[in-house]
Amino acid sequence: EADIYQTPRYLVIGTGKKITLECSQTMGHDKMYWYQQDPGMELHLIHYSYGVNSTEKGDLSSESTVSRIRTEHFPLTLESARPSHTSQYLCASSTTGEGQPQHFGDGTRLSIL
Amino acid sequence: SQQGEEDPQALSIQEGENATMNCSYKTSINNLQWYRQNSGRGLVHLILIRSNEREKHSGRLRVTLDTSKKSSSLLITASRAADTASYFCATVSRGSTLGRLYFGRGTQLTVWP
Repeated sequence: EADIYQTPRYLVIGTGKKITLECSQTMGHDKMYWYQQDPGMELHLIHYSYGVNSTEKGDLSSESTVSRIRTEHFPLTLESARPSHTSQYLCASSTTGEGQPQHFGDGTRLSIL
Repeated sequence: SQQGEEDPQALSIQEGENATMNCSYKTSINNLQWYRQNSGRGLVHLILIRSNEREKHSGRLRVTLDTSKKSSSLLITASRAADTASYFCATVSRGSTLGRLYFGRGTQLTVWP
């Protein structure tokens, strides 16, 4: 019973295209996160947000950008996709408070040709 | 790195057997969490254990925490084929302003019918 939704689930697209990965949650969570995960590897935090109009970069350098205009919506954009962006992108959210469990979407598997 | 590291990387057992996965970490923590990830899906939160707790149970799951050794273990009793998944530990560092999670690379558990 997912309360956090990511679209598309899969995307295969050519180099140079602009891409937006959508993430929406219905739980009213203030905190939202984007992770990048390669097969068999750990999750790397690339962006996070404390709330509306708050966005920060995570540990892993990423050419993507994010916005948080509404509490429930946290889209990620790649202005010009490259093969090095091929990966799985996971969106998550959590309530306010230190170290609260995070709720994850099912991810977008992105392949750049 | 503050990331937790799971051991073993892969575990293969028969249905009905117990599965034990271990996690080691490097910094003082506020809490430690275990997540499950089925193939092609997002992570699902299983259990959270705080730094002042030593053991916690949830159904067939048993988690222990030894802060002196900076380690945790996840025990799944009477495993089922449906338990086949990757299992990740994630730590929340003490004093972290964001309360962000640091994930390890996970243990791939395969349970054979």
